[in-house]
Amino acid sequence: GAVVSQHPSRVICKSGTSVKIECRSLDFQATTMFWYRQFPKQSLMLMATSNEGSKATYEQGVEKDKFLINHASLTLSTLTVTSAHPEDSSFYICSAQNRGALNTEAFFGQGTRLTVV
Amino acid sequence: GENVEQHPSTLSVQEGDSAVIKCTYSDSASNYFPWYKQELGKGPQLIIDIRSNVGEKKDQRIAVTLNKTAKHFSLHITETQPEDSAVYFCAASTTGYNNNDMRFGAGTRLTVKP
Repeated sequence: GAVVSQHPSRVICKSGTSVKIECRSLDFQATTMFWYRQFPKQSLMLMATSNEGSKATYEQGVEKDKFLINHASLTLSTLTVTSAHPEDSSFYICSAQNRGALNTEAFFGQGTRLTVV
Repeated sequence: GENVEQHPSTLSVQEGDSAVIKCTYSDSASNYFPWYKQELGKGPQLIIDIRSNVGEKKDQRIAVTLNKTAKHFSLHITETQPEDSAVYFCAASTTGYNNNDMRFGAGTRLTVKP
């Protein structure tokens, strides 16, 4: 299957700082990328959908000013957690999809464990 | 919106036995049903999927069955091995342009005891 690389895999930051997470599709053009948040022993909750070159669409209850998403190219989307607080600590996962392909399967990155201290 | 329920939440089997995980969905328009395996500290990996025009699909030790009338689908793993131990998620969505309607089940933690 296609490869989606997410970086960093782990990050620890101080409360009040911002953290940027990158999601790259390595061998295909990702017209659409999805950002999920996963709490321990829970399922994936969709945070937002980003289409290349346009503004992200956020799910209800997700603060767009806190979770900034940029999808400037067909291979890269970034999620920036601004003014992070301990309650933002979580596992963040991206997935990428090529809507131009016949198969609309989305491929997941390996996730980023964010710890805010 | 779509609601996906998954059972059981935990499953422990002996190596060599079979494991079955079941999911139900609420939106009759859903027609794409993937299954993901997530190992500790990693992102989900697609292991098998099925579309609504098919009732069953098999890939080596893994099979998925779909009952559209009853709106449920199941993952079957035969001859389980310790490396099958992971969390498994089912999901449901409509195929087509928007995949942002994919909704995941709560997950099943499978433990295969050697």
